[in-house]
Amino acid sequence: AQTVTQSQPEMSVQEAETVTLSCTYDTSESNYYLFWYKQPPSRQMILVIRQEAYKQQNATENRFSVNFQKAAKSFSLKISDSQLGDTAMYFCAFTLTGANNLFFGTGTRLTVIP
Amino acid sequence: DAGVTQSPTHLIKTRGQQVTLRCSPISGHKSVSWYQQVLGQGPQFIFQYYEKEERGRGNFPDRFSARQFPNYSSELNVNALLLGDSALYLCASSADRGRGNIQYFGAGTRLSVL
Repeated sequence: AQTVTQSQPEMSVQEAETVTLSCTYDTSESNYYLFWYKQPPSRQMILVIRQEAYKQQNATENRFSVNFQKAAKSFSLKISDSQLGDTAMYFCAFTLTGANNLFFGTGTRLTVIP
Repeated sequence: DAGVTQSPTHLIKTRGQQVTLRCSPISGHKSVSWYQQVLGQGPQFIFQYYEKEERGRGNFPDRFSARQFPNYSSELNVNALLLGDSALYLCASSADRGRGNIQYFGAGTRLSVL
């Protein structure tokens, strides 16, 4: 069975500072994809970043980057230069190659403090 | 271009009733997936439809059903509603299925069962 664990229910960060959100997952498969999604109060789930498990290079998207440790089954999200608009729930998600259903963690509520 | 659209945005039903939720995918997307997000939890996969056929089903009772139309829009039906069906129902579309295709989410339908 595939599981995703986010151990930080809530976090806060000062505006312009850096914050790291943690995620671990469990699977016996070797080919899969990992995602971070952001869900602001508007409820719409927005893709932040995507990582292909067969790629060793960590994905980056502007202020967002990941630390992907395949052996440790760890996939953390780093947000640099935090902005007020980053305030949201952040979900780590996982899908197997060949499947289309995402397994989500329970989320981390991030608050950016002015 | 329009994103994934869902209707209605909010719905109130009583126990035992039936409900139909609607989803229009991004133009050109052939895959639609449905997720249930209970308050305080991450989304859970219900169904995936691709080219009008069911391609995946999560661990939900037979009271849940769905279909996809020739224009790739989709409906989710829930019969004999229970209080526990109260949740945000999210629809996601992707261009294809598998291979870590990015899923784009709508803003969801908030269902309240009284």
